[in-house]
Amino acid sequence: DAGVIQSPRHEVTEMGQEVTLRCKPISGHNSLFWYRQTMMRGLELLIYFNNNVPIDDSGMPEDRFSAKMPNASFSTLKIQPSEPRDSAVYFCASSFGPNHGYTFGSGTRLTVV
Amino acid sequence: KQEVTQIPAALSVPEGENLVLNCSFTDSAIYNLQWFRQDPGKGLTSLLLIQSSQREQTSGRLNASLDKSSGRSTLYIAASQPGDSATYLCAVRPSSNQFYFGTGTSLTVIP
Repeated sequence: DAGVIQSPRHEVTEMGQEVTLRCKPISGHNSLFWYRQTMMRGLELLIYFNNNVPIDDSGMPEDRFSAKMPNASFSTLKIQPSEPRDSAVYFCASSFGPNHGYTFGSGTRLTVV
Repeated sequence: KQEVTQIPAALSVPEGENLVLNCSFTDSAIYNLQWFRQDPGKGLTSLLLIQSSQREQTSGRLNASLDKSSGRSTLYIAASQPGDSATYLCAVRPSSNQFYFGTGTSLTVIP
């Protein structure tokens, strides 16, 4: 089991550009979570999916953020247009139901200049 | 909404000392509680998962306890080592599917 796989590991982009972050959850896990981590705010849940369906996106900061899960093995988080305040580490995690814990990916460090 | 608090925010101890990290939460109706470790610039590594029906879980030098009625969990680290230096995060899962995270305790073990 390769764990939760995120790409890219690092992303540097200019303000106004579109950014797409990718996540492959652990096979068989039916829940997927996107988190953002900053020094100021810690870990914030952005959105989560159950069985590929978005359940709670109340943490998505603005309409510039969108997330999709077209199938059980792939999810994307898109920021369009990106802004410097979006700079953070974005984590993806997956879980096999509420009685199981999270497994996190290694994260994508996003820098918007 | 579940609130999770970890105190202290930072802790520094000499090598070999036993230590306790604290986590408190506001809503006792939880599915489970998970402790994570995060090294600087790295992702979160799961340490222990305690189900709501359990009182404690052990893994090597780590022991996590859960007292739902008082809204508290502790992570006990025995015979601390410099390699234990990291940030330790507590996460609580209430009746919804998501975990709520504390802000973490930054641990430094001095050789």
